[in-house]
Amino acid sequence: GDSVTQMEGPVTLSEEAFLTINCTYTATGYPSLFWYVQYPGEGLQLLLKATKADDKGSNKGFEATYRKETTSFHLEKGSVQVSDSAVYFCALNLHTSGTYKYIFGTGTRLKVLA
Amino acid sequence: NAGVTQTPKFQVLKTGQSMTLQCAQDMNHEYMSWYRQDPGMGLRLIHYSVGAGITDQGEVPNGYNVSRSTTEDFPLRLLSAAPSQTSVYFCASSYGTGVDEQYFGPGTRLTVT
Repeated sequence: GDSVTQMEGPVTLSEEAFLTINCTYTATGYPSLFWYVQYPGEGLQLLLKATKADDKGSNKGFEATYRKETTSFHLEKGSVQVSDSAVYFCALNLHTSGTYKYIFGTGTRLKVLA
Repeated sequence: NAGVTQTPKFQVLKTGQSMTLQCAQDMNHEYMSWYRQDPGMGLRLIHYSVGAGITDQGEVPNGYNVSRSTTEDFPLRLLSAAPSQTSVYFCASSYGTGVDEQYFGPGTRLTVT
């Protein structure tokens, strides 16, 4: 069935380190892909999205490219900050059974140390 | 613009009690949904609605009931609370097309003893 798989955390990095969080998906059809971020005690909020193959989403120094050939949407940031500490969720939005369905990954916790 | 609001923020129930978690949005979104978030399991869809008067089950609907009498409101009812329903509950809304983001409320942390 349709699913999203993302790397298990927690991921612990030093400030200014390079970040990659892997995300792969399985879907029938052509989903839109999203990264959401959840700060402690809050709901999820959209970080970036890509709606078709080869699109690159970017926001706040984060970026991810929709790779149809490898069914991946890996999140990257060149230099992380302590304020980036949060849980990151990869998700897809897919048209199925007459409606649109969101599927989330299990989340990856990122901890950035000063 | 309030976005998606949820009440209460915290709740403690005894096993067998019932309650309603409230969710409202002011963005005129057609699509609304309820998720529960448990450690290591990400977000699981409980129920969703594609418009007023239309609801459907998600991945984990047992023990929960919903209705959608207006576009703005989408309450979630726990019929007879069980310890397995201890979780953080999020309501979300969107325009309901393939490219839309979902807007999330701040969550309700529920403990069932």
